[in-house]
Amino acid sequence: NAGVMQNPRHLVRRRGQEARLRCSPMKGHSHVYWYRQLPEEGLKFMVYLQKENIIDESGMPKERFSAEFPKEGPSILRIQQVVRGDSAAYFCASSPSRDFSYNEQFFGPGTRLTVL
Amino acid sequence: AQSVTQPDIHITVSEGASLELRCNYSYGATPYLFWYVQSPGQGLQLLLKYFSGDTLVQGIKGFEAEFKRSQSSFNLRKPSVHWSDAAEYFCAVGPPRNILTGGGNKLTFGTGTQLKVEL
Repeated sequence: NAGVMQNPRHLVRRRGQEARLRCSPMKGHSHVYWYRQLPEEGLKFMVYLQKENIIDESGMPKERFSAEFPKEGPSILRIQQVVRGDSAAYFCASSPSRDFSYNEQFFGPGTRLTVL
Repeated sequence: AQSVTQPDIHITVSEGASLELRCNYSYGATPYLFWYVQSPGQGLQLLLKYFSGDTLVQGIKGFEAEFKRSQSSFNLRKPSVHWSDAAEYFCAVGPPRNILTGGGNKLTFGTGTQLKVEL
C-alpha cells in the first residue's frame, strides 16, 4: 500500500508565477489536510478537505491560495502570483475517515517551494 | 486558542545517553497528543500518541512519552539514544473526541526540537 504521494518534491517559481502542488492520499483515504512549514517553524494547518468539499480553510491565507480535492484525481494546492514569503515546505496528510474516533494522519514527503 | 511549546530548539546528546524532549500545551480541554519525527528532506512519521488511559505511552523506535495533566506536559523520552535518532521532533495536539468541530482532526504543532547525536 503506497503512502501519501506528493509531487513535485521540489518546485522553483519566480515571483508572480503560479504554483500547483499535488497530493495523492493513501488508498482508501478520503480526507486530506494541507500544512505549511516555514523555515525554522513547525507545521501550520492550512486546509482540510474531503472529496469535493472544503471542510475547514481557517488556516488558508485569504488571497492567492486555493485548494481542491476533486472526485477523481489528487488534491491540489494552488498558489497564484507567488511571493518570496511563500517559500516553504508544504505537507499533505491523509486519513481514512472522521466518524467519532480519531484517525491517524499519514504525512507525505512534502513539496519544497522556492520562490526566486 | 490552542498552542504547543517546545522550549528546546536544539539538543545535543551523546550516543547511548538518555534523552528527554519537552512539550507543553495550552488547550481548553485535554487534547489528543502526538509526537512526530522528521528526518531531513522527509515527511513526518508518528512516534506515539496519547488519547486517554495510561499516562505513559510507548511508541516506535524505543520512545515513550508521559502525559502529566497537572503540568500540561507530554515529554518524550528514550533511555539510550542511537545515532540514527538524529532528526527533528515535533509535538502536536489535536481536538479531543468529545469536541465536535467542523475542523476535523487538524493538528497544532510545536516549533520542533532539533536533536543532534554525538558519536
